[in-house]
Amino acid sequence: SQQGEEDPQALSIQEGENATMNCSYKTSINNLQWYRQNSGRGLVHLILIRSNEREKHSGRLRVTLDTSKKSSSLLITASRAADTASYFCATAIPAGGTSYGKLTFGQGTILTVHP
Amino acid sequence: DAGITQSPRYKITETGRQVTLMCHQTWSHSYMFWYRQDLGHGLRLIYYSAAADITDKGEVPDGYVVSRSKTENFPLTLESATRSQTSVYFCASRRVSTDTQYFGPGTRLTVL
Repeated sequence: SQQGEEDPQALSIQEGENATMNCSYKTSINNLQWYRQNSGRGLVHLILIRSNEREKHSGRLRVTLDTSKKSSSLLITASRAADTASYFCATAIPAGGTSYGKLTFGQGTILTVHP
Repeated sequence: DAGITQSPRYKITETGRQVTLMCHQTWSHSYMFWYRQDLGHGLRLIYYSAAADITDKGEVPDGYVVSRSKTENFPLTLESATRSQTSVYFCASRRVSTDTQYFGPGTRLTVL
């Protein structure tokens, strides 16, 4: 079963608005990562937040992590048409043993930003 | 240029044929991964590798074989392709220092 579940499945907004995507997971994690996928392309890493962090910023991105609720959110502020893409959360289980840094991905949120 | 490449980018094959998807990375990352992406399932891990000659099964390994004789290459073979293996396949490598994965452009495979 999927470790990460994302909500909403699709989001449509106007340029300049903020976009918020949520991710829930089931087991203890070492870190949670967000990736973006443009249509027909590979995934691109956006931001990583560790299990002992609560919030992280990178440019127009803000990620929060609530380990007690096993959830994370990705906020994109002042969205642009170029932000149109699918966004995936991915969880890494605690390191060690044979984890090899494996990631388990959610099904993604399709974000459409209208000019 | 440095990076991760996959070949072919598109492949059409028939049921029962053997197909090999290639993955090459220039960073010398130890860890490499193969995923498949299907509508409704997101990305699912097929196989992964910690180093040359060290591989292990992921979530959906049945019908696939991998090898890793060199650090930079991680080919994925479908021994006898089935229609259910029609998918987009992504290879990735992991940078340990940042714990992030870098993805190739993908191979779109259609099995008729």
